[in-house]
Amino acid sequence: DAGVTQSPTHLIKTRGQHVTLRCSPISGHKSVSWYQQVLGQGPQFIFQYYEKEERGRGNFPDRFSARQFPNYSSELNVNALLLGDSALYLCASSPVGRVAGELFFGEGSRLTVL
Amino acid sequence: AQKVTQAQTEISVVEKEDVTLDCVYETRDTTYYLFWYKQPPSGELVFLIRRNSFDEQNEISGRYSWNFQKSTSSFNFTITASQVVDSAVYFCALSEGYYGGATNKLIFGTGTLLAVQP
Repeated sequence: DAGVTQSPTHLIKTRGQHVTLRCSPISGHKSVSWYQQVLGQGPQFIFQYYEKEERGRGNFPDRFSARQFPNYSSELNVNALLLGDSALYLCASSPVGRVAGELFFGEGSRLTVL
Repeated sequence: AQKVTQAQTEISVVEKEDVTLDCVYETRDTTYYLFWYKQPPSGELVFLIRRNSFDEQNEISGRYSWNFQKSTSSFNFTITASQVVDSAVYFCALSEGYYGGATNKLIFGTGTLLAVQP
């Protein structure tokens, strides 16, 4: 079975631009979460969506937004990029919305902002 | 506030040595989950273990073992007879909220880079 897939794997943007990152969860998983991992740090929670509704939001500015589609795939959008947005963005899926089991992570999208 | 501390930034061992990775957590929740994840160079976080706060039994899985001590808020991870393939960054994580918690938000520590030399 396919794991969590994310695209693109790498991308380079300049300050002020917009970026869209995509995530396809494991088949049958209805929850998708997004995490930001700055180099040398642990992942930080950005959003969780379950059954197409936002279930949680971390301490990130409104420049960050996300949505989940009927097929449970998800997009993370970041507007007005700043240098500090350079990070590995990880998507995780799980069959349920609450912490009842492990999260399954993708390999991430590495964003570099110049 | 919830917090996870991994005081060891980097550990270097020689193959076949035993190594323990420390994790200390803070939470006001009475029920919570603790996790360990492994992150190889590919970037994907790989689940290793989940522990419910009510279950303080130590667990062993092959060369891996975990020691959960609620009295000291610690959840340490030991690799016995380490191998080069164990080289990775290891993260300890804490779930935020349980009862009524509608999210599966995890709070991660800063990670410990384990380098196993041949």
